[in-house]
This record gives sequence, structure tokens and C-alpha cells, in this order.
Amino acid sequence: DGGITQSPKYLFRKEGQNVTLSCEQNLNHDAMYWYRQDPGQGLRLIYYSQIVNDFQKGDIAEGYSVSREKKESFPLTVTSAQKNPTAFYLCASSIDSDISYEQYFGPGTRLTVT
Amino acid sequence: GENVEQHPSTLSVQEGDSAVIKCTYSDSASNYFPWYKQELGKRPQLIIDIRSNVGEKKDQRIAVTLNKTAKHFSLHITETQPEDSAVYFCAAHSGGSYIPTFGRGTSLIVHP
Repeated sequence: DGGITQSPKYLFRKEGQNVTLSCEQNLNHDAMYWYRQDPGQGLRLIYYSQIVNDFQKGDIAEGYSVSREKKESFPLTVTSAQKNPTAFYLCASSIDSDISYEQYFGPGTRLTVT
Repeated sequence: GENVEQHPSTLSVQEGDSAVIKCTYSDSASNYFPWYKQELGKRPQLIIDIRSNVGEKKDQRIAVTLNKTAKHFSLHITETQPEDSAVYFCAAHSGGSYIPTFGRGTSLIVHP
């Protein structure tokens, strides 16, 4: 089940703590994305990166930060400023080409903050 | 920006029936419309897509239709099976953008 991986599968944190979610891909994709999934809300874009050392805010970036130091890696930090951090987080990647717009998703990380 | 509405939010059918999920989009420049299936506890995966220069596309029991004038597209599943039970997401890519705007998802339940 290679391609794009996320770790850990489940993460528990106390309120007020920052937490970093890992996302790694070996698909040689240029673009990577972070989504948040809540019941009935669909997939909402947090951040995306189309090239190393560059990233852009998505629709719900407040309280989150990212880095893209390597093509293969796009970690997401959920900071204490995020008011409702408990959610299912999905990482994705794509070729970023007119040949295909398909998004390849990781298995997700379920974050619970109490 | 683009806005995608998806209906219904829940769809319950009997095995063998057909299922239709509809999405509307707001940006007339959108030109690529994928559908993703997310089984319980698993990652979303692309099941079918359509580009704006095509009106319909089929792949075995699933098909997608696109009406550019009305700005809506639909997923059709025929002869539904219990393994079709999942959450289905539609998405739209605004012209030239690699970033999708997703609908809120439809939970399809197929009763044996």
C-alpha cells in the first residue's frame, strides 16, 4: 500500500499542544495537499504546495502551518491556535500536469484533542 | 472561487436498483469533474472523471454525465451492489487549476 503514507493513524493530544502530522509520497509528484474531513463537510483544503519550498493557504488555513523542504514530504502542524482541531486529516498528491488531475490520497490521520 | 453543491447527502437503495448523485458548480470556466469513492475507514479513490469537452462517460456500471449549460454533472450507478456502499465526492477544477473544489459528499447505502 505504498504511494502516499501518513502517520500516525490515530493521534491524541491535550488542548494547547502543537502536533505535527506526517505525509510522505514516493510517486514523484510535484503537488501535495492537506485536507480536513468532518462529517457532512466534505474535503476542505488547508494548504497546498506545488513545488519544493513553496506553499499556499487553502480555504481553512488558520491555526495550521506546513513546510515543504523535500519533494517527498509535506508535514502539517496543527497549532494551539486552531479552535476545533479534532478531525480526520487527509494528505494528497498529484502530478500537477494537464495529463492528469487525479488526486492520490493517503490513509489519513484521525486527530483527537481533549 | 468555485462552489460545488452535492445532493443528496444520504441515499439508500436496494441491491440491484440504480443510484444517481447530482452536483452543481458555479464557475463556468471549470473543465474537469472527477468523482471519488471513500469506503468506510479507507482513503478516497478516483472512480471516474469527465472533461468539459465530453457529455457522457461510462465505465461498466458507473457513468457520469455533464451538462455545461446548466452547470451540473451526475454520477449514475446501475445494478447497485453492497460493495458500492461508500461516501462519494464530486469535485470541479476551475479552468487550468490542479486544485479541486469538493462537494460535501453523499453517503450511499446499498441494502442486500
